[in-house]
Amino acid sequence: QSVLTQPPSASGTPGQRVTISCSGSYYNIETNPVNWYLQLPGTAPKLLIYSNSQRPSGVPDRFSGSKSGTSASLAISGLLSEDEADYYCASWDDSLTGWVFGGGTKLTVL
Amino acid sequence: QVQLQESGPGLVKPSDTLSLTCAVSGYSINNNNWWGWIRQPPGKGLEWIGYIYYTGSTYYSPSLKSRVTMSVDTSKNQFSLKLNSVTAVDTAVYYCARKDEENYDAFDIWGQGTMVTVSS
Repeated sequence: QSVLTQPPSASGTPGQRVTISCSGSYYNIETNPVNWYLQLPGTAPKLLIYSNSQRPSGVPDRFSGSKSGTSASLAISGLLSEDEADYYCASWDDSLTGWVFGGGTKLTVL
Repeated sequence: QVQLQESGPGLVKPSDTLSLTCAVSGYSINNNNWWGWIRQPPGKGLEWIGYIYYTGSTYYSPSLKSRVTMSVDTSKNQFSLKLNSVTAVDTAVYYCARKDEENYDAFDIWGQGTMVTVSS
């Protein structure tokens, strides 16, 4: 059971906009920044969004992040087949004194 | 460019100690970063194990703290993980990663991962 809760799956058709939610608590998401990672099959995770809504250099602006209270969201617009991957949220937890991850959301592009 | 490479045995017997090393290239381990380990059991999500600073300071996951030891070797520009008393639930892909402190406060560089199976 992950500390951060994500839906196990999401889907969309090419060109659509999809959102992935991440639910936590006061001790993690409400108090600390949220990061998002993308993991293509058989590869290491890659940083996609940091500090709730910031994109590292090279990440397309089709990807955006937001946070409100104890929840965060990742939005992907103009969905491409190459976006098919697993997505993870992460945040520092002040109560556990450690990093916590969501269980991951598998995005399928139909 | 910055690269991280995990190495260590792919098979560990139950009750033994899992030992992995992460070699850092293209970047000094003495910089302002935490150097971490994250694992992923087959078909499951990511779990943070802990991280270490070049001075030797550490943070460990509360659930693994009693079995984990991390160390850093600045002369070899590498850091290591030891997990003792392993069982089948420790079977996973183990990633080493850099946590950037200056810009992202996130794990921005990852190794390719190494699969470790716990089995007799």
